[in-house]
Amino acid sequence: GIQVEQSPPDLILQEGANSTLRCNFSDSVNNLQWFHQNPWGQLINLFYIPSGTKQNGRLSATTVATERYSLLYISSSQTTDSGVYFCAPGANFNKFYFGSGTKLNVKP
Amino acid sequence: DGGITQSPKYLFRKEGQNVTLSCEQNLNHDAMYWYRQDPGQGLRLIYYSQIVNDFQKGDIAEGYSVSREKKESFPLTVTSAQKNPTAFYLCASSSQGRTGANVLTFGAGSRLTVL
Repeated sequence: GIQVEQSPPDLILQEGANSTLRCNFSDSVNNLQWFHQNPWGQLINLFYIPSGTKQNGRLSATTVATERYSLLYISSSQTTDSGVYFCAPGANFNKFYFGSGTKLNVKP
Repeated sequence: DGGITQSPKYLFRKEGQNVTLSCEQNLNHDAMYWYRQDPGQGLRLIYYSQIVNDFQKGDIAEGYSVSREKKESFPLTVTSAQKNPTAFYLCASSSQGRTGANVLTFGAGSRLTVL
């Protein structure tokens, strides 16, 4: 299967700071999603982004499929952004591979 | 509201017992999935189903079984053959949209502890 490496594994930010999370993957993909897992375990889809750039409020994501990486940008971070961020690339319709995540802690 | 309902939220089991986790969706999605998450780790795929009465093994299917008799339901049985069943179990569903996007939607999870 696809190997997924996320960095950094842990990140501590002061509220208002910006950050970039990175996801590297080992093979060609036709699907990539970013998720946020809150402290209660709920996973919320942030972006479906197999290629290109998308923005949603303070969050944006870029995937460069030819170079096998994706970036998630968080601007003006808030305490509610805390949690774990996962990327999940996929190479066919129904198989997604998850990285180990980036654990973000935003301090007030 | 449309979504995925998992039950129970917390479950305790003695060694040697089978246990079944429920997953129901009212999103009219064709595909459903079961993932396992261990502390500090990512999600690993146990089983997935693209249509009713059909399912495929994921990367860690040993010790688990599933059925897909209805589009809305995809229960997971953790059998006594699963050597380390204590984990957080997540059910998801997806449907390819008009743009071809296959986006996963997750339930709230079931936390299984073996005593």
